[in-house]
Amino acid sequence: NAGVTQTPKFRILKIGQSMTLQCTQDMNHNYMYWYRQDPGMGLKLIYYSVGAGITDKGEVPNGYNVSRSTTEDFPLRLELAAPSQTSVYFCASSPSRGRDGEAFFGQGTRLTVV
Amino acid sequence: QQQVKQSPQSLIVQKGGISIINCAYENTAFDYFPWYQQFPGKGPALLIAIRPDVSEKKEGRFTISFNKSAKQFSLHIMDSQPGDSATYFCAASTFPSTDSWGKFQFGAGTQVVVTP
Repeated sequence: NAGVTQTPKFRILKIGQSMTLQCTQDMNHNYMYWYRQDPGMGLKLIYYSVGAGITDKGEVPNGYNVSRSTTEDFPLRLELAAPSQTSVYFCASSPSRGRDGEAFFGQGTRLTVV
Repeated sequence: QQQVKQSPQSLIVQKGGISIINCAYENTAFDYFPWYQQFPGKGPALLIAIRPDVSEKKEGRFTISFNKSAKQFSLHIMDSQPGDSATYFCAASTFPSTDSWGKFQFGAGTQVVVTP
């Protein structure tokens, strides 16, 4: 059971470059999320989706875009990368009616912008 | 601003001791309070969660205490073991339902080190 799979695990980008962080889940969850994790700051919600075709901004959406064309996939697009986007990015998913509302996280993508 | 405030930032406890981590929240609409455990290089994983209809929930060595009037909740790790060394995050959200969903607000995290 793969759960939530993120690729790549590591990436170094130059300022101004663009990239897409991939996220796929095989649990048929409706809800998916992108968080970024910075030292001492916890996790901040970037974007979320409550189902295919529906996305909305979280707490820190600037500089990012998402799409949700299928239930399984929720890619995060970084346009014009900036050093402030250096972070660890986590994708997560949860069922609409979970056992305990549990969110399942991927292993993360460590992104460095230089 | 941080909607969920977590303390301490780090703590060191001896094997067999008790680790206590505290969180406070602002939004009275929150009705689901999970704790996540994260090991280095891994994503967070749900450890234990509580809803406001109970004041305490215990699973093995892990206990959540919840004080609705004070808008505070805490995690107690009893008989702490070296394998418990990890970063712990508290979180809060509205419980997912057909009309709403859980948008999680996380605390800043507590790094726990259990010494042998």
